[in-house]
Amino acid sequence: QSALTQPASVSGSPGQSITISCTGTISDVGGYNYVSWYQQHPGRAPKLMIYGVSNRPSGVSNRFSGSKSGNTASLTISGLQAEDEADYYCSSYTSGNTLVIFGGGTKLTVL
Amino acid sequence: QVQLVESGGGVVQPGRSLRLSCAASGFTFSTYVMHWVRQAPGKGLEWVAVISYDGGNRYFADSVKGRFSISRDNSKNTMYLQMNSLRAEDTAVYYCAGSTRWIPNMVLDDWGQGTLVTVSS
Repeated sequence: QSALTQPASVSGSPGQSITISCTGTISDVGGYNYVSWYQQHPGRAPKLMIYGVSNRPSGVSNRFSGSKSGNTASLTISGLQAEDEADYYCSSYTSGNTLVIFGGGTKLTVL
Repeated sequence: QVQLVESGGGVVQPGRSLRLSCAASGFTFSTYVMHWVRQAPGKGLEWVAVISYDGGNRYFADSVKGRFSISRDNSKNTMYLQMNSLRAEDTAVYYCAGSTRWIPNMVLDDWGQGTLVTVSS
């Protein structure tokens, strides 16, 4: 089962907004509202940023938001800050053999 | 606060076995679904396995099915990953992760810091 498709990299300047896309199929992203997003800084464990497409866990900045349209989910980070520079991964429940599928990851660079 | 600590990683020869542990603290372990997720060096995340609250249900990624098993001991607040017939492509940092949510709401709320497994002769 192929991974969800994310852009390899995105970049933005401090204060700007960026959006990371995550494209799957009707068997995962498009069929269920169970998309999550994780942030991972180098050498660190991933951290949950968004779950259920658009919900933020307690403690996560409201600069992070999620949405979905069809088979594509999106993570938007507004008011970019230097500390946002990290790798971002989407994941989804899938009705395929593997219950959970991840995207390939997107490296966010804050210029 | 939730704390998950993995252990048991190391260097192992191809075809051999290794058992990883994930020790939990700071929450009621039996109310958490527990996952293993791995990350090969310089690569992305790959989900490996999940075990239900009481251990009665277990699911695996196709890449490890038949070679890996997952278990938990709620009396010891610990989850395990038994890895058999290891291959070079199993080389990765292995993270344990937990959540109060079950299928299909597979959210990984809390993560450990990971343990490195290197399969090499």
